[in-house]
Amino acid sequence: KAGVTQTPRYLIKTRGQQVTLSCSPISGHRSVSWYQQTPGQGLQFLFEYFSETQRNKGNFPGRFSGRQFSNSRSEMNVSTLELGDSALYLCASSLLGTGHKQYFGPGTRLTVT
Amino acid sequence: AQSVTQLDSQVPVFEEAPVELRCNYSSSVSVYLFWYVQYPNQGLQLLLKYLSGSTLVKGINGFEAEFNKSQTSFHLRKPSVHISDTAEYFCAVSDPGGYNKLIFGAGTRLAVHP
Repeated sequence: KAGVTQTPRYLIKTRGQQVTLSCSPISGHRSVSWYQQTPGQGLQFLFEYFSETQRNKGNFPGRFSGRQFSNSRSEMNVSTLELGDSALYLCASSLLGTGHKQYFGPGTRLTVT
Repeated sequence: AQSVTQLDSQVPVFEEAPVELRCNYSSSVSVYLFWYVQYPNQGLQLLLKYLSGSTLVKGINGFEAEFNKSQTSFHLRKPSVHISDTAEYFCAVSDPGGYNKLIFGAGTRLAVHP
């Protein structure tokens, strides 16, 4: 079974632009969560989608948004990029709900200049 | 609010020596507990998890952890480490009613030396 895939793996954007990151979960997994990893703040939860519905959200500004499609693939969008948005963005997929093993993708490294 | 404290940011150890990575959590409700490992330029991989039942949890790669409710701790141990165990280790908690939201600690960098 293929693992969680994230595209692109690396991205360089300019401050003020917007960006869309994609995550394809393991086949059959209905839950997709997104995390931001930075040296200063560590790993922080962004949001979780389950069957196309956002069911949990972290403490990030409204510039961060996401969605999930009927095939469980998920995208996250960051508008009006700031330098502080430079980070590794990780997505994780899970078969069902709480406590189930989450499988992480390799991440997308976003650099904002 | 839940929080996780990993008491050591770096742990150097010699190959074949035992190691313990410490994790304490704070929560007013029952929690699920996890340890993840991150190798350079990779995502996170689950080592083990505690949901309920036996407080001693065995995971992959010879790791184990013990849940101690009275001390609100979930320390990770391995009796004999290998060079390949060099990585960043993260302790995390989740609320059983909070779906898949994980609250992570700051991480502990385990450096195994020959």
